[in-house]
Amino acid sequence: QSALTQPASVSGSPGQSITVSCTGTSSDFGGYKFVSWYQQHPGKAPTVMIYEVSKRPSGVSNRFSGSKSGNTASLTISGLQAEDEAHYYCSSYTTTSTVEFGGGTKVTVL
Amino acid sequence: EVQLLESGGGLVQPGGSLRLSCEASGFIFSTYWIHWVRQAPGKGLVWVSRISTDGTTTNYADSVKGRFNISRDNAKNTVFLQMNSLRAEDTAVYYCVRPTGSYFDWGQGTLVTVSS
Repeated sequence: QSALTQPASVSGSPGQSITVSCTGTSSDFGGYKFVSWYQQHPGKAPTVMIYEVSKRPSGVSNRFSGSKSGNTASLTISGLQAEDEAHYYCSSYTTTSTVEFGGGTKVTVL
Repeated sequence: EVQLLESGGGLVQPGGSLRLSCEASGFIFSTYWIHWVRQAPGKGLVWVSRISTDGTTTNYADSVKGRFNISRDNAKNTVFLQMNSLRAEDTAVYYCVRPTGSYFDWGQGTLVTVSS
């Protein structure tokens, strides 16, 4: 069982916005801003979409955004597209400097 | 371009051993910690282990502590994961990852299957 809790699935129609949540404890998030989100398509390695809660790496669409409130981080995908269908994982460094991942959320584009 | 190339995966019997390698290129290897993360078939990502830049500090997930050993050879830009006393639940794709500030760059992974 993952220390970071994500919904198993989230779905939306093309063009809609969806939000994936990631809930942990204060020790999971360590008070750090080191929360990141990864996208994984079947058979592929994960790639980062959001880091340090809300920053986007170069090349990632601005349709992806991140936020955090208390012990819950969120990934929002706006203007949902077919190519966004994938698994999404949140990740955080803990107070003991280990790394935790959420259980993953399958995003389905209806 | 950052590249992380894992190798050494395969089929092994329960109780057996396997040594994974991760050869890095495209960056100054000796200045980065390196981690291993695994993913069982159809399951999520699980952090396994990490090693400091000079190899003197290592950490392990409780599930592999005492059975796995991480090491590195900075002269060969390579990190190793020695896996002993393997169990069926160790079956997974093993990814070598490089922390880039606060997120990871990932290799393509190598599949380890523990089965009789």
